[in-house]
Parts: sequence; structure tokens; C-alpha cells
Amino acid sequence: GQQVMQIPQYQHVQEGEDFTTYCNSSTTLSNIQWYKQRPGGHPVFLIQLVKSGEVKKQKRLTFQFGEAKKNSSLHITATQTTDVGTYFCALFSTDSWGKLQFGAGTQVVVTP
Amino acid sequence: SAVISQKPSRDICQRGTSLTIQCQVDSQVTMMFWYRQQPGQSLTLIATANQGSEATYESGFVIDKFPISRPNLTFSTLTVSNMSPEDSSIYLCSVEDWVNYGYTFGSGTRLTVV
Repeated sequence: GQQVMQIPQYQHVQEGEDFTTYCNSSTTLSNIQWYKQRPGGHPVFLIQLVKSGEVKKQKRLTFQFGEAKKNSSLHITATQTTDVGTYFCALFSTDSWGKLQFGAGTQVVVTP
Repeated sequence: SAVISQKPSRDICQRGTSLTIQCQVDSQVTMMFWYRQQPGQSLTLIATANQGSEATYESGFVIDKFPISRPNLTFSTLTVSNMSPEDSSIYLCSVEDWVNYGYTFGSGTRLTVV
């Protein structure tokens, strides 16, 4: 099945700084989804990207899908303590309908 | 989007026993998904549960260890059988969100086996 590599695995950010997390695949993806999991919480859906070169924004979060549809990024500007958590990218498996395959996640720690 | 009620939220169990986790959805859904999240790790799909048919298990997961029931379109259970400390994880159910195109997750069951 398809594999996606997510980097970095860990990100320590000073409050107010920007950071970016990346998901990379060796194969072309049909789409990619992003989730956020707060400490002690469950994953919450953020966005789905489908089109080549697509850019979507949610307040301070900017999501991009690469032109070749092999990579995606999540950029957060002016990080706040509420951004703490683990961000996962996920893609649909080519094996079976509805099956999501999650990246390893980027754990974000924010220092006030 | 759908709302999922998952129970129990956490449990501490003795090795060799079994625990059944329940997920109730506030709307009818065709497929329900069960995931395991080991401490500090990502989510791994255990199985897909369709109403009226046997669940489809992913590689590394078997029905004897993780029996699943799906009696109707709003409810499913996952049982973790004959537990060992290696089964200590968070177990989550999930359904598709046809409004936002993502997936909605239950709040999770944090299982500790001692």
C-alpha cells in the first residue's frame, strides 16, 4: 500500500513563531487529509486537499497540496499555546474503500 | 457531522480478561472503523465493520482477538480478548463525515492492562 512520511516527528516552537510540518509520498496521492489530536484527546478532522497545487487556509493554518500530488504541508503562523498537539496527515488506501492510512504525526510543543 | 458516543472512556483490566468497547453514532452510517493507537504512536486501523456482514480485519489483527459486532447502522462494539499488557492502548472508533469529507472519531477508550 501507499506510504507517507511525515516530518518532523517533533517540533518545539516558541509562542508567536511560525512552523511547518510536511507529508511526503513516493507515489501520487488522490487526496490527503489533515487531523489534529490534542493531548489526551481524539483526532479531529481539519481539512481535505484534492487538487494539484491546492492551497486552503483556516485562520492561522495554511494547507498545501503539491503540484505533483506527492506531498503536502501544514504551515501555522504566529503559534499559540492552543496549537499544542499532534498533527497527522492521512491518505486513503488504494486497497479498500474508506480505509485511512495515517502518517506518524508531528508532535508540537509550544513554549509561552 | 455525526456525533459518536464511545464507552468506556478508560479502564484498567487484569491480564487474561476481555473488555468490550461500544460506539453509538447519532445517525446511520454504512461503515464504522476501529483503530488502535499505542502510546506515543500514530493510528493503526484494526478493522472495518459493515452492518450485516463480518468485519474486515487488517493485517496483524484477527477476529479471535478483536471480535467486532455491528448489529445495526448506528452501533458497533469491539472486544479486546484475553488481554495482555501489550494491548494497553487507546482504541478509537470512526465514521465518515459526508458533510465535510473527513472522518469523525469517538473520544477513545484508554485501556491499561496490568
